Amino acid sequence: DTAVSQTPKYLVTQMGNDKSIKCEQNLGHDTMYWYKQDSKKFLKIMFSYNNKELIINETVPNRFSPKSPDKAHLNLHINSLELGDSAVYFCASSQALEGRVFFGSGTQLSVL
Amino acid sequence: ILNVEQSPQSLHVQEGDSTNFTCSFPSSNFYALHWYRWETAKSPEALFVMTLNGDEKKKGRISATLNTKEGYSYLYIKGSQPEDSATYLCASLNQAGTALIFGKGTTLSVSS
Repeated sequence: DTAVSQTPKYLVTQMGNDKSIKCEQNLGHDTMYWYKQDSKKFLKIMFSYNNKELIINETVPNRFSPKSPDKAHLNLHINSLELGDSAVYFCASSQALEGRVFFGSGTQLSVL
Repeated sequence: ILNVEQSPQSLHVQEGDSTNFTCSFPSSNFYALHWYRWETAKSPEALFVMTLNGDEKKKGRISATLNTKEGYSYLYIKGSQPEDSATYLCASLNQAGTALIFGKGTTLSVSS
């Protein structure tokens, strides 16, 4: 009965590969996000979607492409993976932009 | 991008001590201020969402205050317990109101 679920939990891949992380929320929220946790545990906003529409893209390389097929899903596709992409990626959702944010359990991406 | 600052970066207290942390944010175009608790190997969980100047929220031994005119919020923990050990994050909506921007957190360690 997880509110925000993301898969996979761990992703190990080679440099240059293309990979996807899936995210789904069953809370009926209209806003979804992707955050990247850096090595110092800092959560940095990557993308923000409201009702399937992109509303923020914070200086993320265009190798990262979010896809929102419907309000309940926000998947993250990453092309040509680089070593520096290794991090934990958190999906999250909220009801409206000022509502409390619910986080998924994170995907630990390791690029070798 | 909006700058949310937290201090101290880390804090170590003894069981039973009371403690507090600070979050500062730009006071112009303020929408909302959030506090989250982030335990190791888990996802951040919302503690409080505050929107009004002078707001005070309380949850058990944890409370928070908000001053939107001067751009700061305090989080207080009364009688700290080892299970309070976690990173406490504050976050504020950016000026466009399109995403929640997190501070770098205060990591609290409580010894028994």
